[in-house]
Amino acid sequence: LAKTTQPISMDSYEGQEVNITCSHNNIATNDYITWYQQFPSQGPRFIIQGYKTKVTNEVASLFIPADRKSSTLSLPRVSLSDTAVYYCLVDVTGGYNKLIFGAGTRLAVHP
Amino acid sequence: DTGVSQDPRHKITKRGQNVTFRCDPISEHNRLYWYRQTLGQGPEFLTYFQNEAQLEKSRLLSDRFSAERPKGSFSTLEIQRTEQGDSAMYLCASSLELAGASNEQFFGPGTRLTVL
Repeated sequence: LAKTTQPISMDSYEGQEVNITCSHNNIATNDYITWYQQFPSQGPRFIIQGYKTKVTNEVASLFIPADRKSSTLSLPRVSLSDTAVYYCLVDVTGGYNKLIFGAGTRLAVHP
Repeated sequence: DTGVSQDPRHKITKRGQNVTFRCDPISEHNRLYWYRQTLGQGPEFLTYFQNEAQLEKSRLLSDRFSAERPKGSFSTLEIQRTEQGDSAMYLCASSLELAGASNEQFFGPGTRLTVL
């Protein structure tokens, strides 16, 4: 399974765009990239998944360069309620089997 | 509420006691997963089921741990002879393994275990 590296923590302010980058240098050809969000005392929640280029949904965008060795989760106009831990996961099944979580990025959004 | 539910939400026990947790997945989901999470860390995979079959167990799942999903619906996770190191949040998730379906895992709120 590809190892991922992401910042331990980030700070932002309400209304700003937040970009969290994840490195996965050893990503395999068939691996998917998935991001989960976790609030305190809750289970993680799926945000977005992609394989290449750009994926956008109502919550976030995921940018994946051509070499796929990194990916960037973009959260537009964050609010206080976006304060959470964000996990980047890479695996061939895209989540069909076990998920391997790292320590994640703790995002703190300030007023 | 049609999400994943877990019971109890909190459990405090003394070292050496046995505990059992229950997970009710989303009704049509055929896959069910158990994870454990300690403070400041991401969830760690323990085991997962497809219907009633247990397909994979992590090395984290020692002999004191056992999980069942007898009818392919709810699941139980039992820890025998609890140790202080078992203190953690135990998370359950479910998904639908079906061609063309989203492989998103839906997590429950977790059971927080404290072993004194």
